Amino acid sequence: QVQLQESGPGLVKASQTLSLTCTVSGGSITSGGYYWSWIRQHPGKGLEWIGYIYFTESTYYNPSLKSRVNISVNTSKNQFSLKLTSVTAADTAVYYCARGIYYYDSGSFLYGMDVWGQGTTVTVSS
Amino acid sequence: QTVVTQEPSLTVSPGGTVTLTCASSTGAVTSGNYPNWFQQKPGQAPRSLIYSTNNKHSWTPARFSGSLLGGKAALTLSGVQPEDEADYYCLLYYGGAQFVFFGGGTKLTVL
Repeated sequence: QVQLQESGPGLVKASQTLSLTCTVSGGSITSGGYYWSWIRQHPGKGLEWIGYIYFTESTYYNPSLKSRVNISVNTSKNQFSLKLTSVTAADTAVYYCARGIYYYDSGSFLYGMDVWGQGTTVTVSS
Repeated sequence: QTVVTQEPSLTVSPGGTVTLTCASSTGAVTSGNYPNWFQQKPGQAPRSLIYSTNNKHSWTPARFSGSLLGGKAALTLSGVQPEDEADYYCLLYYGGAQFVFFGGGTKLTVL
């Protein structure tokens, strides 16, 4: 049973870089058919996709955040990480990591996000 | 910027049936948008219910089903239970699964 756990500072100063890590347990981050995502949720608001990375290290980012985001994989630690630069109060949110799945079945690809971490709250202070 | 739209809120009686929908500002939602549906209860992480239009996970209750309906993705709950009261989010993929956008969420009240 794959589990994901986010970790990192709960408080970041404005203009600095937010750094979070997601540790994957119960499975390998290099297994084919998976991609690794970051999603956030502002207080009392909906979900916002930040980006994801495949084990091949191909990355895809939300266009609205692309200039400030970097997602990377550390295969030796079975972890993937999020860096968000030049943070402001608008980046205060609960940050989730999630596993995406994709596979080919009956003539078409299927995509989903099946396993989520519990989330970690990050507050940006001035 | 692509916008994914859901009903802000819906109310259903226990045992009833309700359909939540998910529309895209770019046009009709198709299977190529691989619609996903998530349930989120207060203080909890989202839980995946449906992926790629109508595929269920092993943990997805049988009363949940996904479909395409009138150019939108749809999540139907049949025989609603009190524990189904939650926020529901849809997710659509774009550009051959290079970009992903969530809908704003539907708050489902069971009353």
